[in-house]
Amino acid sequence: GAVVSQHPSWVICKSGTSVKIECRSLDFQATTMFWYRQFPKQSLMLMATSNEGSKATYEQGVEKDKFLINHASLTLSTLTVTSAHPEDSSFYICSARAGAGASNEQFFGPGTRLTVL
Amino acid sequence: DAKTTQPNSMESNEEEPVHLPCNHSTISGTDYIHWYRQLPSQGPEYVIHGLTSNVNNRMASLAIAEDRKSSTLILHRATLRDAAVYYCILRGTTSGTYKYIFGTGTRLKVLA
Repeated sequence: GAVVSQHPSWVICKSGTSVKIECRSLDFQATTMFWYRQFPKQSLMLMATSNEGSKATYEQGVEKDKFLINHASLTLSTLTVTSAHPEDSSFYICSARAGAGASNEQFFGPGTRLTVL
Repeated sequence: DAKTTQPNSMESNEEEPVHLPCNHSTISGTDYIHWYRQLPSQGPEYVIHGLTSNVNNRMASLAIAEDRKSSTLILHRATLRDAAVYYCILRGTTSGTYKYIFGTGTRLKVLA
């Protein structure tokens, strides 16, 4: 199957700093990438959908000024958590879709664990 | 987005078949049924998907009810590595972005 990578796999930062997480599709071009957040023992929550070259679409309740998403190329999307606070500590997962049809599956990255002290 | 309902947890003995059910009574005609699984501290992994007909691949089989209001993921011989949370997701064209909305999933425990 297609491979999606994330970097870093884990990060610890101080409260008030910004953290950038990269998501790459390694062997296919992804016109659409998605960002999820997952708290312990809970399901994945979709944060935003990003299409290459255009602004991301955020889900209700997700602050777009806090979670900056850039999808500059067909193989790279970045999520920047600005002014991170302990409540932002979570497992962040990206996914990329290969193809435009409803039948096309998404491929998920391995996740990035963010801990804010 | 159409909703899915799955049991919170299930148990199976190793080497035995497992049937994981999913109800999706509000499914629309264009919604595909996707199954993913997530191992601890990993991203979800694609398992299988289908529209109307039953589907088989090397990982599992997907049985879809004739009225499409329910489906069952079948693992033919469960192994300890199959212990994971299994998510049943509907994906269609209503929103135009084909986004996945995850439900609570079923936590499968495999007993040695």
